[in-house]
Amino acid sequence: NAGVTQTPKFRVLKTGQSMTLLCAQDMNHEYMYWYRQDPGMGLRLIHYSVGEGTTAKGEVPDGYNVSRLKKQNFLLGLESAAPSQTSVYFCASSTLSTSQVQPQHFGDGTRLSIL
Amino acid sequence: AQTVTQSQPEMSVQEAETVTLSCTYDTSENNYYLFWYKQPPSRQMILVIRQEAYKQQNATENRFSVNFQKAAKSFSLKISDSQLGDTAMYFCAFMSNSGYALNFGKGTSLLVTP
Repeated sequence: NAGVTQTPKFRVLKTGQSMTLLCAQDMNHEYMYWYRQDPGMGLRLIHYSVGEGTTAKGEVPDGYNVSRLKKQNFLLGLESAAPSQTSVYFCASSTLSTSQVQPQHFGDGTRLSIL
Repeated sequence: AQTVTQSQPEMSVQEAETVTLSCTYDTSENNYYLFWYKQPPSRQMILVIRQEAYKQQNATENRFSVNFQKAAKSFSLKISDSQLGDTAMYFCAFMSNSGYALNFGKGTSLLVTP
């Protein structure tokens, strides 16, 4: 009963380094999301995807790129990490329903520190 | 963009007592969805309860219930018979009927004391 799995759970980077966060879901959900959580700010949407091969910008997309090559995976990339990107990153997924809104299922988060 | 406001950064309640967490939101839409998520120290985001705006009846889930006042754009969460395991950060969230993602409030930190 994996649900939404995020890899890695914790990472420290140096300014200017690049990395990719992986999100995998086994619920066959159509929609996937990346959020960041900063102290006192709640969760803010970075990018989202409504299906394989499609992505869209959220509230705070600058400095991030995403890809959804497979339905079950949603990748978040940082090309040149900056200290302002130090945060906890959450991936979520949800399914499409015309009869009832479906809640988002969250992964356990990735704590990312940029030095 | 819709905004969600949680005016209580921190709250405390004694075990077995009742506590109410406040949430207000701003939208011009008529159909939308509201959620309360719980985030314990483990960092997991756990859905507590949800409400469809077109439903007048307030949602309930065991010890958790909401007071949804559509005209006032208010969506408070009541926790009855508080338990130590209810200690967590609670987030109110809004989702548009035409959108996909959640707009979160800044959260309320709830501490349940013995």
